[in-house]
Amino acid sequence: DVQLVQSGAEVKKPGDSLKISCNGSGYTFSDSWIAWVRQKPGKGLELMGTIFAGDSDTRYRPSFEGRVTISADKSINSAYLQWRSLEASDTAMYYCARLDGGRLDHWGQGSLVTVSS
Amino acid sequence: QSVLTQPPSVSAAPGQNVIISCSGSSSNLGSSSASWYQQVPGTAPKLLMYENSQRPSGIPDRFSGSKSGTSATLAITGLQPGDEADYYCGTWDTSLSSGGNWVFGGGTKVTVL
Repeated sequence: DVQLVQSGAEVKKPGDSLKISCNGSGYTFSDSWIAWVRQKPGKGLELMGTIFAGDSDTRYRPSFEGRVTISADKSINSAYLQWRSLEASDTAMYYCARLDGGRLDHWGQGSLVTVSS
Repeated sequence: QSVLTQPPSVSAAPGQNVIISCSGSSSNLGSSSASWYQQVPGTAPKLLMYENSQRPSGIPDRFSGSKSGTSATLAITGLQPGDEADYYCGTWDTSLSSGGNWVFGGGTKVTVL
């Protein structure tokens, strides 16, 4: 079975750095795209960017470019979402999902990031 | 503001039918197929429909989808209490504002009365 397992909840202060992870299993990780999706409290889904795990080709939604870094390590079947300096507005649930052609067919359980002073 | 437009909410009694619309443009639904996602409160989204009208295994045939031009539709027949959730449409978008990336609709809350 395809599974995406994300790292746990984080509580950080403004200005802190953070890297969350998404580990894939049950399929050939390096043959797939991974998407990162943000969901702020009570709001809808926003795709932040995508990465092809095989060669780390990365595409950012313009509104997220420069604010986060998406990366992958195919040797350990993992993708990452990273911030250098968190802001309170980054408080959200973050999901990774496998992007297979025209669909996000498997999702991680989500990583809750809370940024508060 | 989302690139794809959905009604904020729809509601119906158990056993009735609901239709959720997803309106886009030539840069997204006009050139790519739609997929739909169900998110029960407190849980991760789940793929409900892909390639406009294909159901993944395990999704009941009470759920159906279609697309015409720049709009897609999700229909739920015989509404059940367990269908109460948020529903999102999604597709590729080739516009500069999306960076050639994937976009979602704003989501529709389905309430079972």
